[in-house]
Amino acid sequence: EAAVTQSPRNKVAVTGGKVTLSCNQTNNHNNMYWYRQDTGHGLRLIHYSYGAGSTEKGDIPDGYKASRPSQENFSLILELATPSQTSVYFCASGDARGDSGNTLYFGEGSRLIVV
Amino acid sequence: DAKTTQPDSMESTEGETVHLPCSHATISGNEYIYWYRQVPLQGPEYVTHGLQQNTTNSMAFLAIASDRKSSTLILPHVSLRDAAVYHCILRAHQGGSAKLIFGEGTKLTVSS
Repeated sequence: EAAVTQSPRNKVAVTGGKVTLSCNQTNNHNNMYWYRQDTGHGLRLIHYSYGAGSTEKGDIPDGYKASRPSQENFSLILELATPSQTSVYFCASGDARGDSGNTLYFGEGSRLIVV
Repeated sequence: DAKTTQPDSMESTEGETVHLPCSHATISGNEYIYWYRQVPLQGPEYVTHGLQQNTTNSMAFLAIASDRKSSTLILPHVSLRDAAVYHCILRAHQGGSAKLIFGEGTKLTVSS
């Protein structure tokens, strides 16, 4: 089964500080995603990527940057963190090849609190 | 991607068979129907997917209407571990955008 690992799992940041959330996948998937999920709400897509060097805006990209330096790694960067970015962030990977289609594999989540 | 419509919540009792409906009236011919589930504090987990024929695996049975405008995820003999939010999503396989949007899903409550 695909393995997606996120770090850090928990983080407290100060307003205005820089936060980097990292994601690593070990199954050579082309596509990677960053979502956020707030209490009582569904997943909202922030950024996604088709492969190394590619980043695309999702539905709520404002205040976030993404970086895909390699097939395995996809980072989410908050240059100037704000309290409204307090949330749980999920990374996922997937591949459109073959019948597995767009089956996504998710990480365990990174819980971010901005104070 | 075509939109799906699911009930906000459903309730069940352990041992029952649960039918989770999903409406997708504007589905395109190349779009597959995917189901994921998410328990609190964890990332979503793939359940099953299908195109036109009904499918079954160890987790669930997916029944797809003949016109493909609706589908039903059937969970036999549910247990407390099946309590989760279930998401129905449409995705094209080859050639489509990688963008994948989740809705609110159906929150399934299982009581003992």
